[in-house]
Amino acid sequence: RKEVEQDPGPFNVPEGATVAFNCTYSNSASQSFFWYRQDCRKEPKLLMSVYSSGNEDGRFTAQLNRASQYISLLIRDSKLSDSATYLCVVNLPYNTDKLIFGTGTRLQVFP
Amino acid sequence: DVKVTQSSRYLVKRTGEKVFLECVQDMDHENMFWYRQDPGLGLRLIYFSYDVKMKEKGDIPEGYSVSREKKERFSLILESASTNQTSMYLCASSLAGLYEKLFFGSGTQLSVL
Repeated sequence: RKEVEQDPGPFNVPEGATVAFNCTYSNSASQSFFWYRQDCRKEPKLLMSVYSSGNEDGRFTAQLNRASQYISLLIRDSKLSDSATYLCVVNLPYNTDKLIFGTGTRLQVFP
Repeated sequence: DVKVTQSSRYLVKRTGEKVFLECVQDMDHENMFWYRQDPGLGLRLIYFSYDVKMKEKGDIPEGYSVSREKKERFSLILESASTNQTSMYLCASSLAGLYEKLFFGSGTQLSVL
């Protein structure tokens, strides 16, 4: 089983829609979780961290479900500029300087 | 703004050649990383470094070596390039203690023929 799994998509949604992605992780001892965004042919950039209580940054909401070992990213009121690949990232337990990246979920927002 | 610069955007090499990929960051970051990104496999860590002259193997170090002689520069070396090393190579850096905020370079697409 992969350490971090994501649905590759693509998720094709109209502007203004709400869309959610999930990501599952295999190691229950994982401590830290993040979402990165990667535009086509560009480098990944940190979008947001995921906190145990859930957190919001504008139109983006991240949540963590430790019992089921998944994190989620919800995007409200989708914009064309949200089109990108969203990478789920989990730290390796007991080694906080190494991150495991998921293969990403591709989002395409259309007019 | 943090800038991580990789020396080449595209590189074509022949099997057996020695290949050097250079990465320079301008924000005095302690940590530097080399990843490769392949379709369906995501980003995989090759090597990382916490300090000058220090290096640690990542998940897929075979066939690669690294050098960090100065804090701002982290080089990836393919000792004898092979076709299975055709990939997108991404360098990243981060502050010590803020490991999750990686700043990536724009990547080098390496093709080994």
